[in-house]
Amino acid sequence: AQKITQTQPGMFVQEKEAVTLDCTYDTSDPSYGLFWYKQPSSGEMIFLIYQGSYDQQNATEGRYSLNFQKARKSANLVISASQLGDSAMYFCAMREGLNGGSQGNLIFGKGTKLSVKP
Amino acid sequence: DSGVTQTPKHLITATGQRVTLRCSPRSGDLSVYWYQQSLDQGLQFLIQYYNGEERAKGNILERFSAQQFPDLHSELNLSSLELGDSALYFCASSPDRGREAFFGQGTRLTVV
Repeated sequence: AQKITQTQPGMFVQEKEAVTLDCTYDTSDPSYGLFWYKQPSSGEMIFLIYQGSYDQQNATEGRYSLNFQKARKSANLVISASQLGDSAMYFCAMREGLNGGSQGNLIFGKGTKLSVKP
Repeated sequence: DSGVTQTPKHLITATGQRVTLRCSPRSGDLSVYWYQQSLDQGLQFLIQYYNGEERAKGNILERFSAQQFPDLHSELNLSSLELGDSALYFCASSPDRGREAFFGQGTRLTVV
């Protein structure tokens, strides 16, 4: 079974509008972290936002917010006021077993390609 | 700039050859991870090192090996290269007990 599922291979959004990118995850570990990364056409992986499984509030970073619904095992990324520069691939990822010093590896979804229309 | 440095950025080599990819983690980060991104497999975890020791292995082929040196930089060695090894190889680092994972810009390997 896939641990990270991103069901939207591609999405379009009008500039200045908000968009939600879906991510569901599967884990039995009570301690885990959820990440979103942006990969523009140039290829680099840019860290956007992080949510810990024990965090009480949804994470926010500027125009990015994470809609964390623990019972539903979903961690959707919301981008407000989309900009042309937001056009990129977006990856959701999970890290399990956050207890201890050495953190485990990231497990990635297949990504969503976001295109922002002017 | 994530603070993780990977060299080279691009590499073109022939089948059967051997290459070495290098990664310098962010200052103070003890964990280094290697990932492979290909069109058909997506982003796959290869191997993790923590303070010089191998910590976890993922989908790493026997033709591939890695090490982390005392100064914490890491190298990924790919040998007997095949066309299917063409991919973007990422290194990432994390601080001890930290939550973040920061990626380098990647090395794009093309095997011809």
